[in-house]
Amino acid sequence: AQKITQTQPGMFVQEKEAVTLDCTYDTSDQSYGLFWYKQPSSGEMIFLIYQGSYDEQNATEGRYSLNFQKARKSANLVISASQLGDSAMYFCAMREAFYNQGGKLIFGQGTELSVKP
Amino acid sequence: NAGVMQNPRHLVRRRGQEARLRCSPMKGHSHVYWYRQLPEEGLKFMVYLQKENIIDESGMPKERFSAEFPKEGPSILRIQQVVRGDSAAYFCASSTTGVGQPQHFGDGTRLSIL
Repeated sequence: AQKITQTQPGMFVQEKEAVTLDCTYDTSDQSYGLFWYKQPSSGEMIFLIYQGSYDEQNATEGRYSLNFQKARKSANLVISASQLGDSAMYFCAMREAFYNQGGKLIFGQGTELSVKP
Repeated sequence: NAGVMQNPRHLVRRRGQEARLRCSPMKGHSHVYWYRQLPEEGLKFMVYLQKENIIDESGMPKERFSAEFPKEGPSILRIQQVVRGDSAAYFCASSTTGVGQPQHFGDGTRLSIL
């Protein structure tokens, strides 16, 4: 069965520094997608970045990058140059891929990131 | 605003009443998902729908919960005879077809049961 594990309930980082949020996953499928979402205190869910299991390069999106290590089944989110507005809950999620169809997301428990000025 | 629209944002019901949560997907999105978030927890999948079809309802409680996505109009998540344990944030998401397409979420409906 699919499973996402985020082992860091809470993290602190100094403003302008980089931070890595850990995510490991478990699946028996060869084809899957990994996603990171941000949930600020206001409650909405904001899509950040996507990595496909067959993508050879690590995904990047502005200050966000995904450190994808397929053999270790990890998909860590790296946020560079942290800003106060990055303080939020971060969720890692996985979806098994069905060609040309959608599919449910399995979420981890989340990591609460606090950025210190 | 072309995003996923959910209403109401907040809903208060007394035990035994019915709750109806609405979701309009992003324009051009044919896949709709409902998730539930209990306090201090991650989101849990409930149901996946396309127009007039339930594709996957493996996360739906067997009783009192139902969902639909009619040919016209928004998707509806319906909870009958609500109980205290139904208090949660309910999120709707939508996506287009394609392996790498992200699901875009609405702002959620916070359901409180008195």
